[in-house]
Amino acid sequence: TQLLEQSPQFLSIQEGENLTVYCNSSSVFSSLQWYRQEPGEGPVLLVTVVTGGEVKKLKRLTFQFGDARKDSSLHITAAQPGDTGLYLCTKTSYDKVIFGPGTSLSVIP
Amino acid sequence: GAGVSQSPRYKVAKRGQDVALRCDPISGHVSLFWYQQALGQGPEFLTYFQNEAQLDKSGLPSDRFFAERPEGSVSTLKIQRTQQEDSAVYLCASSLTGSHTIYFGEGSWLTVV
Repeated sequence: TQLLEQSPQFLSIQEGENLTVYCNSSSVFSSLQWYRQEPGEGPVLLVTVVTGGEVKKLKRLTFQFGDARKDSSLHITAAQPGDTGLYLCTKTSYDKVIFGPGTSLSVIP
Repeated sequence: GAGVSQSPRYKVAKRGQDVALRCDPISGHVSLFWYQQALGQGPEFLTYFQNEAQLDKSGLPSDRFFAERPEGSVSTLKIQRTQQEDSAVYLCASSLTGSHTIYFGEGSWLTVV
């Protein structure tokens, strides 16, 4: 059973462009985390959102949690090559953390 | 230690060989997780420990996979009679009980030839 969906699966953009990636679930999240994973490394936590409608900003990254707590988006402004990586959203189900399939982002200089 | 440490970082095994992957979690972290990640995919849950107790092993793909954490700190993931489909990155993560923030190691890259 695919508990989490992420879109798009792949995204290739030019440096300086803006982008948005999405995470959706058929069930409510108690909390949602976004991770970024660079090649050859483990995932690194970017943000945790808990409250429906919550918006968090981390420099050029803006995270939004849907009002119904079933979806989230990550918007990157003026993407840079250093943003390249696999963006993963997660939810917790019965004490285990479940990952979505990820969005693979490539920012071309 | 300062972070989650995994060893070996890279392992090439011949098909049929047994392998053991080690994870040193962050000191004091009660929860420990193992994930399997195929190239370009999100991590897939394998198993979860709270201290030495293995509370969930529903993600282990077959009875060739075995994990233990006998003293509630270091954990070992063992794969018996490796097969080519076992080739993947095996990620270990740890967290404090009650916290949903988990911290990952760099992974052990297993290639079965």
